[in-house]
Amino acid sequence: DAGITQSPRHKVTETGTPVTLRCHQTENHRYMYWYRQDPGHGLRLIHYSYGVKDTDKGEVSDGYSVSRSKTEDFLLTLESATSSQTSVYFCAIRDGSSYEQYFGPGTRLTVT
Amino acid sequence: DQQVKQNSPSLSVQEGRISILNCDYTNSMFDYFLWYKKYPAEGPTFLISISSIKDKNEDGRFTVFLNKSAKHLSLHIVPSQPGDSAVYFCAATPMSNTGKLIFGQGTTLQVKP
Repeated sequence: DAGITQSPRHKVTETGTPVTLRCHQTENHRYMYWYRQDPGHGLRLIHYSYGVKDTDKGEVSDGYSVSRSKTEDFLLTLESATSSQTSVYFCAIRDGSSYEQYFGPGTRLTVT
Repeated sequence: DQQVKQNSPSLSVQEGRISILNCDYTNSMFDYFLWYKKYPAEGPTFLISISSIKDKNEDGRFTVFLNKSAKHLSLHIVPSQPGDSAVYFCAATPMSNTGKLIFGQGTTLQVKP
């Protein structure tokens, strides 16, 4: 298994509060990705990183920001959570020598 | 605007028989395709992939077929086992440096003993 963890694994928060999800890898992979999974939509890319301090938007980036200050950590922040951001969030990593991405176990976020 | 589509939300097959999962795409820039398997409460796991220069790739019980002219790919599982019961996602990428994947909606496979 790829060395990738996510924290927290579950979180319930209220509308309007800030939330930060953490993805941590021990593989020293260059690329990291944040996805959300919703019924009927599969997985959709939120943001991705191609190196320390290098990030870019995915297809559903509104309402989310990311930061990557170290190779091993990729943070996803919801500045002001909304009910539409209730979802399961997955982090993935890729080393750049192939196109396969390896996923973490996910974080289930509920915004009430 | 769904660029990768899995039109069958679910599939049920008998143990030992063949499972065929289908995936269609619309973007002609896609040239690398992947299949992932996902169990409940776990992250997706990579299963098998295929480049557009090939039309078939095989790995044990799993074979992926690519028909570029029809913009269609399929995953064959032979023989199907109860442990194969999961959600299967196909994904596509244009083989750019970013490696961004576009996923289909998923197909839930149930293999009955």
